[in-house]
Amino acid sequence: AQTVTQSQPEMSVQEAETVTLSCTYDTSESDYYLFWYKQPPSRQMILVIRQEAYKQQNATENRFSVNFQKAAKSFSLKISDSQLGDAAMYFCAYRSARGKNTDKLIFGTGTRLQVFP
Amino acid sequence: EAGVAQSPRYKIIEKRQSVAFWCNPISGHATLYWYQQILGQGPKLLIQFQNNGVVDDSQLPKDRFSAERLKGVDSTLKIQPAKLEDSAVYLCASSLWEQGAEAFFGQGTRLTVV
Repeated sequence: AQTVTQSQPEMSVQEAETVTLSCTYDTSESDYYLFWYKQPPSRQMILVIRQEAYKQQNATENRFSVNFQKAAKSFSLKISDSQLGDAAMYFCAYRSARGKNTDKLIFGTGTRLQVFP
Repeated sequence: EAGVAQSPRYKIIEKRQSVAFWCNPISGHATLYWYQQILGQGPKLLIQFQNNGVVDDSQLPKDRFSAERLKGVDSTLKIQPAKLEDSAVYLCASSLWEQGAEAFFGQGTRLTVV
């Protein structure tokens, strides 16, 4: 079974600085998707960034980028130029690509990010 | 486009009572998920629907939880009878029926069992 591990329960960063959130996963599959989701307090979860395992190039979305190391099964999220609005819980998630009926999202336990002015 | 709608937002019940949650997914999304998020943990899948058929309910406590998705659109999740350990946020999400498609989440229902 696939598992996702986030070893940092909490992280903090100063506004305008850069922070990296860690995620490791375990799978025997070769094809899958990895996601970072953001969950602000009392608000719905939204997708931050997505990575297809077959792509070697790391995904980037504006201030958000990932460091995807397939052999090491590592998928970290880097937030550059941090803003107060980035404060939230961040969840790393795994999704199999074996078939449409096996595509549930498997989540890590989350990292709470605090941003200080 | 309208997002995933859930109701109620909050619910407090006594143990052994029953409760139901409702979810309206994004129009056109064939896949619907119910997740349970216990405080301090990541969301855990309870059940996944493809249209009105169940794809995965392996982690649904079937002795007390039930879910249905009539006509392949709205869905309800029921707990009967509730236990203290059912206190959690229940998240509904939907996605297109495509490999790797983004899942869109509702705001969730926070259930407190006392």
